[in-house]
Amino acid sequence: RKEVEQDPGPFNVPEGATVAFNCTYSNSASQSFFWYRQDCRKEPKLLMSVYSSGNEDGRFTAQLNRASQYISLLIRDSKLSDSATYLCVVRRSGTASKLTFGTGTRLQVTL
Amino acid sequence: EPEVTQTPSHQVTQMGQEVILRCVPISNHLYFYWYRQILGQKVEFLVSFYNNEISEKSEIFDDQFSVERPDGSNFTLKIRSTKLEDSAMYFCASDTGLNSPLHFGNGTRLTVT
Repeated sequence: RKEVEQDPGPFNVPEGATVAFNCTYSNSASQSFFWYRQDCRKEPKLLMSVYSSGNEDGRFTAQLNRASQYISLLIRDSKLSDSATYLCVVRRSGTASKLTFGTGTRLQVTL
Repeated sequence: EPEVTQTPSHQVTQMGQEVILRCVPISNHLYFYWYRQILGQKVEFLVSFYNNEISEKSEIFDDQFSVERPDGSNFTLKIRSTKLEDSAMYFCASDTGLNSPLHFGNGTRLTVT
C-alpha cells in the first residue's frame, strides 16, 4: 500500500465550480499534514497546513480525519489560476523528519 | 519574503561525471533537505541534514550521493558518478524544525546524457 494515496485526476472543472480532493495515508504515526500546490516543472509551494479541527483559508478548506487516516481539500469558486497539481503531504513526528508526498491530483479549471 | 535559492537552474552532464548542486537555505533555518522528482513522478525524499550531519537518508541516497555545508550559507548535493536515471528535478528545502512546513527552492533540473 502506498504511504500517501491520491486520485491522480485530472479534474476538469469550469470556473466557479467547487471541487474536492481526497487523500489517504497509511502510517498512523504521521503527525503533520499539508497541502502543497505544484505548477508544471516548478517547486512545490505550501498551500496550507491541515489541522485536526479542520481549517479554512479563503476559498480553501482542509479537513483531517485521523481515525480514517484521511485528508481532504475543498476549493470553492475555482479560478483559472487554481489550475495546478495538488500534493497531499504527511510528516511523522520528530524534528527534521521527512515529508512523504502523494503523487498529486491535477486540476484544470476552464472557462 | 526570504527564499531558498538553488543554482544552477539546469545542469546537463554526461554519464559518469560528477555534479554538484548548490543551495542557499533561508538564513535562520537550521534543517536542510534534498528531494528529487523524476519527470511525471512524485516528489521523493533523499536526505535531511542538521548540525553538520545527516539526520536521515532514503534508500535512493546511496554511496554516489553526498551532502555538505561547506560554509555558513551553502548546502550542496554531490553526485559522484552520474547515471542516466539520476535525471530529475532536484529540490532543496529548509525549515526551522518543530514540524514547521518546508520551504522549497525553485529546483535544479539535472539532465544526464
